[in-house]
Amino acid sequence: DAGITQSPRHKVTETGTPVTLRCHQTENHRYMYWYRQDPGHGLRLIHYSYGVKDTDKGEVSDGYSVSRSKTEDFLLTLESATSSQTSVYFCAISESTILHRRGNTGELFFGEGSRLTVL
Amino acid sequence: GQQVMQIPQYQHVQEGEDFTTYCNSSTTLSNIQWYKQRPGGHPVFLIQLVKSGEVKKQKRLTFQFGEAKKNSSLHITATQTTDVGTYFCAGYLGERGSTLGRLYFGRGTQLTVWP
Repeated sequence: DAGITQSPRHKVTETGTPVTLRCHQTENHRYMYWYRQDPGHGLRLIHYSYGVKDTDKGEVSDGYSVSRSKTEDFLLTLESATSSQTSVYFCAISESTILHRRGNTGELFFGEGSRLTVL
Repeated sequence: GQQVMQIPQYQHVQEGEDFTTYCNSSTTLSNIQWYKQRPGGHPVFLIQLVKSGEVKKQKRLTFQFGEAKKNSSLHITATQTTDVGTYFCAGYLGERGSTLGRLYFGRGTQLTVWP
């Protein structure tokens, strides 16, 4: 398995509190992603990063911010958590998305997930 | 709106029966990837298809990419209880060779296999 660690793995918090999820990788991959998974919605991209301090929004970025100050760490912050943000959050990494590069599949390696409950 | 559609959402089969999940996009896909997620686990990469009309096999699993690169399917022959899980397709939109940061996932097909 790829070296990806998410923390915390489980968290229960109250509405209105700030929450930060951390994703740490030891693979030195350029791309990092945050997805949320909800029943009936599959995996939806929140934010992604294509390098240190380079990030962009995904499909469901409202209410979330991210930061990447080092290659190995990608933080997801909920400034003021709401019940609608109760979900399982997955971090993923990939070496490259340049599909013509030889040997590159562009596959994503996922972390174990972080289950967040907002009461 | 959702970029990549996947059906069915659920599929219940008896062990030994076949299973197919379908993936469609309204726009051309650079590639299509397939992932499997076991209950309580995280998605794991299965395979990538890049060429128009491409067919790949992994034991009992057959993956196809449509000629127009807008649809794909995963077929499992003679399902086993170890096949239980959710199968996701995912694709980068656009022409091959471009740098695309966004991998769009279908909603997945949850497969249940009873003995």
